[in-house]
Amino acid sequence: NAGVTQTPKFRVLKTGQSMTLLCAQDMNHEYMYWYRQDPGMGLRLIHYSVGEGTTAKGEVPDGYNVSRLKKQNFLLGLESAAPSQTSVYFCASSYQAGGTDTQYFGPGTRLTVL
Amino acid sequence: AQSVAQPEDQVNVAEGNPLTVKCTYSVSGNPYLFWYVQYPNRGLQFLLKYITGDNLVKGSYGFEAEFNKSQTSFHLKKPSALVSDSALYFCAVRDPYSGAGSYQLTFGKGTKLSVIP
Repeated sequence: NAGVTQTPKFRVLKTGQSMTLLCAQDMNHEYMYWYRQDPGMGLRLIHYSVGEGTTAKGEVPDGYNVSRLKKQNFLLGLESAAPSQTSVYFCASSYQAGGTDTQYFGPGTRLTVL
Repeated sequence: AQSVAQPEDQVNVAEGNPLTVKCTYSVSGNPYLFWYVQYPNRGLQFLLKYITGDNLVKGSYGFEAEFNKSQTSFHLKKPSALVSDSALYFCAVRDPYSGAGSYQLTFGKGTKLSVIP
């Protein structure tokens, strides 16, 4: 089991460029999440998905879009990158939500927007 | 709304001494509480969680945490610190009664633990 994997590990973008971050999990989890981690701010939820074909907004969704076409994959898109989106992005998954489940995290993607 | 606070940005402790990393929370009902650890350049790893029952929860790597409802706290503890415990620790809370928001984990800002040899 690879668990939760993320690609790429690092990326540098120029302002206005677009990119997609890929998250994949092999644990057959229903729920998937995208977080961003900024110094001194902990992790903040961007978007999440409660199942294939569904997505919902989290705490800081502006400037991001997501898609969950397959149960095992959750994509995070930046249509027009801004320096404020420089961050470390973590994907997580869980078997069920809204209760006792544990979220399992990927290794992260470090994104720099110049 | 749910929130969590980690009042210490950094905790230093000598190897072999007991350690405590503090966490307080705010939710409207009974909380679900979690501790995660992050080693440099790695993702978050689950340590332990409190859902219900015994207030003392035991987790991975010898860590434990005590749920105190009256003080709304969930402090992480270990009897004897190791140098390898040096990492960033995050407390997180979920309010299971918050409707659609019950999916969301709210994280604290993190506490950097340094264990000195």
